[in-house]
Amino acid sequence: DAGVIQSPRHEVTEMGQEVTLRCKPISGHDYLFWYRQTMMRGLELLIYFNNNVPIDDSGMPEDRFSAKMPNASFSTLKIQPSEPRDSAVYFCASSLGRIRETQYFGPGTRLLVL
Amino acid sequence: GNSVTQMEGPVTLSEEAFLTINCTYTATGYPSLFWYVQYPGEGLQLLLKATKADDKGSNKGFEATYRKETTSFHLEKGSVQVSDSAVYFCALSDTDSNYQLIWGAGTKLIIKP
Repeated sequence: DAGVIQSPRHEVTEMGQEVTLRCKPISGHDYLFWYRQTMMRGLELLIYFNNNVPIDDSGMPEDRFSAKMPNASFSTLKIQPSEPRDSAVYFCASSLGRIRETQYFGPGTRLLVL
Repeated sequence: GNSVTQMEGPVTLSEEAFLTINCTYTATGYPSLFWYVQYPGEGLQLLLKATKADDKGSNKGFEATYRKETTSFHLEKGSVQVSDSAVYFCALSDTDSNYQLIWGAGTKLIIKP
């Protein structure tokens, strides 16, 4: 199995630009999670999906952030417009079955907003 | 609410030393407990887990025992290697959080040759 795939691995953009992060979960997994990791705030859950449906987006910092999962094999996290404080590593993770099962993380997207 | 508290890092040890990273938790139900590891430049990966009291999770020489009486899940390894240098995260999932993972802050481990 290829594991969770994220793209791009690195993204450098200027403030105000739109940023789109992509994730392909492990085939057959029915839960998908988006996390953000920073030195100051640690690992934060932004949103998670079950069977492509968003279940809890209470961690999404503000309306500039949006996430979609149009099918079982693809999800996007979009930031529009981006700000320097959005600079972080964004991880996608997936799991099979009940939410308490093991989560498998992708390698992350390192985002730098100038 | 549920929470996880880990010992602050960094923890610096010499190769072959004994390792303990403390983790304590607060939960109202019967959580599952996890240790994840993050190597430099990579995503997190599950190291071990325990789903009920007195269970011992183990993997790659690491062990942790689910202690309900002390609400702890300390990570131990008898002899660390340079390759164990990483950040270690303790986490729990519980009915209170709709089984979402509640994460500790992470403990950075540095092993010197």
